[in-house]
Amino acid sequence: QKEVEQNSGPLSVPEGAIASLNCTYSDRGSQSFFWYRQYSGKSPELIMSIYSNGDKEDGRFTAQLNKASQYVSLLIRDSQPSDSATYLCAVKSVYGGSQGNLIFGKGTKLSVKP
Amino acid sequence: DAGVIQSPRHEVTEMGQEVTLRCKPISGHDYLFWYRQTMMRGLELLIYFNNNVPIDDSGMPEDRFSAKMPNASFSTLKIQPSEPRDSAVYFCASSFRTSSNTQYFGPGTRLTVL
Repeated sequence: QKEVEQNSGPLSVPEGAIASLNCTYSDRGSQSFFWYRQYSGKSPELIMSIYSNGDKEDGRFTAQLNKASQYVSLLIRDSQPSDSATYLCAVKSVYGGSQGNLIFGKGTKLSVKP
Repeated sequence: DAGVIQSPRHEVTEMGQEVTLRCKPISGHDYLFWYRQTMMRGLELLIYFNNNVPIDDSGMPEDRFSAKMPNASFSTLKIQPSEPRDSAVYFCASSFRTSSNTQYFGPGTRLTVL
C-alpha cells in the first residue's frame, strides 16, 4: 500500500517566520513530487514540483527532496497570513499498477499569525 | 481561458437516489481525474482517463460508482444508489500530455446524502 504521510497540524507560525512542512512516502519507485495548496472551501492548486534530489526554489517557496530518506519538504520564507491554508504533498510513482496516479497526503494545516 | 468546470457545485439528495456529477476539462487536456475528499481519508483518486479511455479505476469504492468519458470535453461520475457515507467533495482535474504535468482542479461538487 503506497502511502504519503504528513503531520496534520495545525502548524502555527508568526508572520515573517519560516514555515517548514514535511512529508514522507513509502514507494521507493516514486519519481515526481508535488506540493499543492488548498484554501478552505477551495480546490487544490499546484505551487511546487520537484523531481531531483536537492533544493528547488521559487520565490518564497523552497522544496527539498531526499529520495534516500524518502522525504520531501516545503519551506515558506517570510510567511504571510495569506499563506494560511492546507498544504498537500503528492507523490507519483511510475511503477506498478498505479502508474500515473498521484497519491496525496492528508495535508498539513498552516496558520500564519499576524 | 476557462478552467475545469464542474456541476453541480452542491448536491443534496436522499439515500438511495442516483447522483450524477459532471465535469468539463480544460480544452486540449488529455488526462482527466476524479477525486473524492473527506476529512477522514483526505484526497483520494477514484479513476482517471487518458484520451477518453479509463486507465485506472482501482480507486472506485464499489460497484455503485461508475464513470464515463464519452468525448474529450465531458465526463460524468455516477453513484447509484447513493449512501450517506458517499457524502464528500468530489473534484475533477485535468492535465496535458502526461499525468505528471500540473493537474488543474475544478471547484468541486459538495455532495450530501441524507
